[in-house]
Amino acid sequence: DIQMTQSPSSLSASVGDRVTITCRASQSISSYLNWYQQKPGKAPKLLIYASSSLQSGVPSRFSGSGFGTDFTLTISSLQPDDFATYSCQQSYSIPYSFGQGTKVEIK
Amino acid sequence: QVLLVESGGGVVQFGRSLRLSCAASGFTFSNSGMHWVRQAPGKGLEWVAVIWYDGSKKYYVDSVKGRFTISRDNSKNTLNLQMNSLRAEDTAIYYCAREDRTGDFDLWGRGTLVTVSS
Repeated sequence: DIQMTQSPSSLSASVGDRVTITCRASQSISSYLNWYQQKPGKAPKLLIYASSSLQSGVPSRFSGSGFGTDFTLTISSLQPDDFATYSCQQSYSIPYSFGQGTKVEIK
Repeated sequence: QVLLVESGGGVVQFGRSLRLSCAASGFTFSNSGMHWVRQAPGKGLEWVAVIWYDGSKKYYVDSVKGRFTISRDNSKNTLNLQMNSLRAEDTAIYYCAREDRTGDFDLWGRGTLVTVSS
């Protein structure tokens, strides 16, 4: 089974900051990496699929990159609505698996 | 409106059973692979099970194999999860999710809470 490890587990940032979250797979997953945003009490929301493709309706300040085992989610200019938990997910092989999540908090 | 709505959660005793359902609307349900994903209180997301669009294949995370059964009724646009021999560690919010493109989950329900009590 493929293990997904995110870093950091949490971070504090200010509005306007550039934020980068990293996700590492325990083996190569090609580009089968997806990113989700989740707010308290809500279901996850798809942000990025296939490592770098922006889901329809998601602001362009979100971007993803990576291939193989190392991936990043970048928020170019953090907005008040972006304070949330972000999770990566590999869809390369079943059982699909998620990272443990990165909580982005207000500084 | 494209929607997934889960139901069937609640408080259940250790070792008992519970059946979750997910009603789909606004899209062609029979074209989509469907998943269950759960989230224990204060924890991250955990993939639980998948069923192919036509019900021909089903896969589970190891921790629920032999206890949970995923099924679907394409005539009723419904996804189900039969959960037997429930354990404390099964306590979580259970989400149904639609698989799109390359295995990403582009549509989620609001979730239903399952609490296993001793």
